Amino acid sequence: QVLLVQSGGEVKKPGASVKVSCQASGYTFIDHGIGWVRQAPGQGLEWMGSIRADNGHTKYAQRFQGRVTMTTDTSTTTAYLALRSLTSDDTGVYYCARDISSYEGDYFDYWGQGTLVTVSS
Amino acid sequence: QSVLTQPPSVSGAPGQRVTISCTGSSSNIGAGYDVHWYQQLPGTAPKLLIYAYTNRPSGVPDRFSGSRSGTSASLAITGLQAEDEADYYCHSYDSSLSGAGVFGTGTKVSVL
Repeated sequence: QVLLVQSGGEVKKPGASVKVSCQASGYTFIDHGIGWVRQAPGQGLEWMGSIRADNGHTKYAQRFQGRVTMTTDTSTTTAYLALRSLTSDDTGVYYCARDISSYEGDYFDYWGQGTLVTVSS
Repeated sequence: QSVLTQPPSVSGAPGQRVTISCTGSSSNIGAGYDVHWYQQLPGTAPKLLIYAYTNRPSGVPDRFSGSRSGTSASLAITGLQAEDEADYYCHSYDSSLSGAGVFGTGTKVSVL
């Protein structure tokens, strides 16, 4: 079965960086992309971006441009989300999800369990 | 501030039908982008409920259905059950955001 297993929670100080991993199994990794979604405490879902696992092509939400990097390692079927210059507004749960490509707009069919990132001085 | 607007909450008694709207514009739903729906139970990751307006993944009960009308989409839950109490989000893409994805504001469904 398709599984996405994310790394554990992180506590970071303002100005630091964080890197969250998402290990995929149960399907051919390069056949689908990986998307990343953030959820601040008590808030809704926020689309951060996605990466194609076959060629590494990325698409980022404008508000994260210049501060986010999404990568994949096909040898370990793992996707990574790196976020720099953290502020308290970056506190939240970060989800990875399998991205099903569609001309009319991708969707996420399987999700990781989420990784809590806490930014606090 | 999302470009896809949902009602903050809807409620219904067990067995009733409720609908959740997702209102967009000519740069997202009206531009031909599909709408997808997710259910998020308390303390858990979101789960795909409907993709491309009307399609249910395997395992999703047929009590859940989706539709589109102009620049809006809707999710209907018929035969409401206690286990349906959750947050629901629509998801699409927007050409004014350089084709980036966007989630709706989210709707809390309460079962009375």
